[in-house]
Parts: sequence; structure tokens; C-alpha cells
Amino acid sequence: DSGVTQTPKHLITATGQRVTLRCSPRSGDLSVYWYQQSLDQGLQFLIQYYNGEERAKGNILERFSAQQFPDLHSELNLSSLELGDSALYFCASSAAGSGAGELFFGEGSRLTVL
Amino acid sequence: SQELEQSPQSLIVQEGKNLTINCTSSKTLYGLYWYKQKYGEGLIFLMMLQKGGEEKSHEKITAKLDEKKQQSSLHITASQPSHAGIYLCGAQTLPSGNQFYFGTGTSLTVIP
Repeated sequence: DSGVTQTPKHLITATGQRVTLRCSPRSGDLSVYWYQQSLDQGLQFLIQYYNGEERAKGNILERFSAQQFPDLHSELNLSSLELGDSALYFCASSAAGSGAGELFFGEGSRLTVL
Repeated sequence: SQELEQSPQSLIVQEGKNLTINCTSSKTLYGLYWYKQKYGEGLIFLMMLQKGGEEKSHEKITAKLDEKKQQSSLHITASQPSHAGIYLCGAQTLPSGNQFYFGTGTSLTVIP
């Protein structure tokens, strides 16, 4: 058990809909990272938050947004969903804001868009 | 484009055989991490390498970092079915800043 909790584990929805994925980081970790994993794209970095502030941005679509709350949990909002958004979404946390530091991963949220 | 390329993409070996997975960066490495993923599950941290020439071992897995070549290798000795999974290298590459990228992954199957 990594200590990182993601909900929901599975989600099935229709195109055009909006969903919210939630992540609770490991106790004491200030950084939260979001990743998207699909068969054809591999593990893609989306965005990082550190202590409530956006720290780094990767290949995140404009239809997607994220935030980190004062209690350090984070949410990833996916809107106007398309079939291609079907993927496994991972959250990871670390103690460090930048630089070297092990990432602890949650079990992921599997999103299926029909 | 991928900043971290892994090879091979997939590997099938007989139990007991040795194997090596490579990870090459297109940018300067600021620490190199190896993770293992069981299919459809989260990633498990294996090792972290920071200094050029550094080598670390855990049980039958050894990782090396050749900083000059911006490459790392993961070597498994006497492979076992429990080693099966997807191995990913990850790194923070300058000057990308804080983005923590992962390689393309290597799928390992160990045949008993």
C-alpha cells in the first residue's frame, strides 16, 4: 500500500460528459502529480501541484483541469469527454516540490468513455 | 516526442535467464528512477540513481546510470515469474523543470 488513495477505481461514462477524479496523497506529501496511461501513448505526465499551487504542466488538454485543495487532496476534472480519453489515470505524491524524490503512486482510476 | 526511450519494448525470457532493459534520455538527467508496474495496477518504486556511474542493487535487480551517455540500464539476474510486469524508467530532465517524465516502458514476460 503506497498510501495514495484514488477514487473512483472505475468509471464508465458517455462522450460529452464531465467527470472528476480524486486523489488523496500520502500523509505529509505536498506534491501531487497526475498521469494518463493509455496503450498507445504510454504514461503521460499531465500536471503537478505543490502545496496548493500549480508547479508544472505537461501534456494536459484544455478540456482537463486540476486543483489541489488546502487539505492537499487533488482533483482532476475531465470535461467534454471523447472516446480517446479512455485511459488509466494515476495520481502520485511526493514530499519534494522539485528535484530528486520518489513518487508514490495510487492504484489508478480507470475511465471508460462510450 | 518521448524524452525517455526504453528498449526493448517487450521481452520474453525463460525463467532463470538474465536480461537487460535500457533507458536513454534525450535531455540531461536530473536523477533517474526505475519503477515496476503490474498490468492495470499502480507503479512500484524500485531504485533511484543520481550520480554518473552510480550502481544500485536490490535482490536480483541491478541498475546503473551512465550520466555522460544519458543512459541507464536495469539488469535482472536469474529471472523469475515474479519479475514479470512493465518496467518504466522515470526522470526529471532539465531544462524541463519539474515535469517528471516516464519512458515508453518495457513489458517483461518470464516463462516458467
